[in-house]
Amino acid sequence: AQSVTQLGSHVSVSEGALVLLRCNYSSSVPPYLFWYVQYPNQGLQLLLKYTSAATLVKGINGFEAEFKKSETSFHLTKPSAHMSDAAEYFCAVSDGNAGNMLTFGGGTRLMVKP
Amino acid sequence: DAGVIQSPRHEVTEMGQEVTLRCKPISGHNSLFWYRQTMMRGLELLIYFNNNVPIDDSGMPEDRFSAKMPNASFSTLKIQPSEPRDSAVYFCASVRANTEAFFGQGTRLTVV
Repeated sequence: AQSVTQLGSHVSVSEGALVLLRCNYSSSVPPYLFWYVQYPNQGLQLLLKYTSAATLVKGINGFEAEFKKSETSFHLTKPSAHMSDAAEYFCAVSDGNAGNMLTFGGGTRLMVKP
Repeated sequence: DAGVIQSPRHEVTEMGQEVTLRCKPISGHNSLFWYRQTMMRGLELLIYFNNNVPIDDSGMPEDRFSAKMPNASFSTLKIQPSEPRDSAVYFCASVRANTEAFFGQGTRLTVV
């Protein structure tokens, strides 16, 4: 069975500050890992994905995440927060099998203060 | 491609009525998922299909919920009878083998 834990349901940063959203996973097989972003009243959009290639993955809007197998982590970072980054962020894991079933974490709501 | 298309975007219905939510996945995608999102429970997987066949429906809350995928380009999620606690945003997502999931815009269901 696979699972995802996102530490911190709410994170608040100042504009221009570092963004760090934490994600830990468990999986019995080498995982595929994803970060999705959800803006108000919209569906989920893919930010970035890890599928066993480079461990540092770059995504859209300046976000990146690093896969650390020893820590079973896939934390999302952005060097400088922008007001438009305010949204909810979901980490997800898939084992690439079983029809690509995604298991999502509980989500982290990012707030950006001016 | 237009992406995953869900209809309706908003649905308000009275308790006890039947509700049908619709989803058109992206052409060529072989897996389809129905999720429910609420403040209290977050994103919950209800059911998923692989090549039009239901693989896991363990997330369907009770027998009032049913889902079908009669062909590769259409799926429905039906609630009969609906209850106020079914109020949520329902998302459909489709996946091509070993790639990421693409989500629709969701259907916001309100049962009064």
